[in-house]
Amino acid sequence: GQQLNQSPQSMFIQEGEDVSMNCTSSSIFNTWLWYKQDPGEGPVLLIALYKAGELTSNGRLTAQFGITRKDSFLNISASIPSDVGIYFCAGLWGGSNYKLTFGKGTLLTVNP
Amino acid sequence: EPEVTQTPSHQVTQMGQEVILRCVPISNHLYFYWYRQILGQKVEFLVSFYNNEISEKSEIFDDQFSVERPDGSNFTLKIRSTKLEDSAMYFCASSEVAGAFFGQGTRLTVV
Repeated sequence: GQQLNQSPQSMFIQEGEDVSMNCTSSSIFNTWLWYKQDPGEGPVLLIALYKAGELTSNGRLTAQFGITRKDSFLNISASIPSDVGIYFCAGLWGGSNYKLTFGKGTLLTVNP
Repeated sequence: EPEVTQTPSHQVTQMGQEVILRCVPISNHLYFYWYRQILGQKVEFLVSFYNNEISEKSEIFDDQFSVERPDGSNFTLKIRSTKLEDSAMYFCASSEVAGAFFGQGTRLTVV
């Protein structure tokens, strides 16, 4: 199946710092999504990207759909303690209209 | 805000027993999904459902699994004869187009 390589695996930052994480693939994806998951909860959709080059913001979060359609990044500005959690990228691969492929996640810890 | 709801939140079952996990997708959504997440691992696709039939399934979704939309609001996942390795969080999701919204999950523990 298609693979998404998400990095970094984990980040430990101070409150107020900016954060960046990304996902790459050897395959072209038609849609990129970013989710946040808190312990014991379901993934919560943060940002959806549908077109190559698209840059979308949601509050302090900004995500971009790479021009090659093989990558995406998520930035969080001015991090706060409640940003703690696991962030997953997910994508819809060209061969499927339905199946989301997930990255392995980035565990973010914010030190107050 | 509309949300996907799942019941039960936690299910413990004996190996070999059948379980049914239930979901109520967001009401105007047309695409429904089941995903699972083994503890500490990534979320994995099981199956998608559209227009009252399976549209895609993964290699995990073998003959032990089935899905059903018994009425206009519920969407269920049945595991016929549970195995220890079926222990995981099972997430239901729904969408209008791409960008699925997930429920809170059912933690299935097979003992």
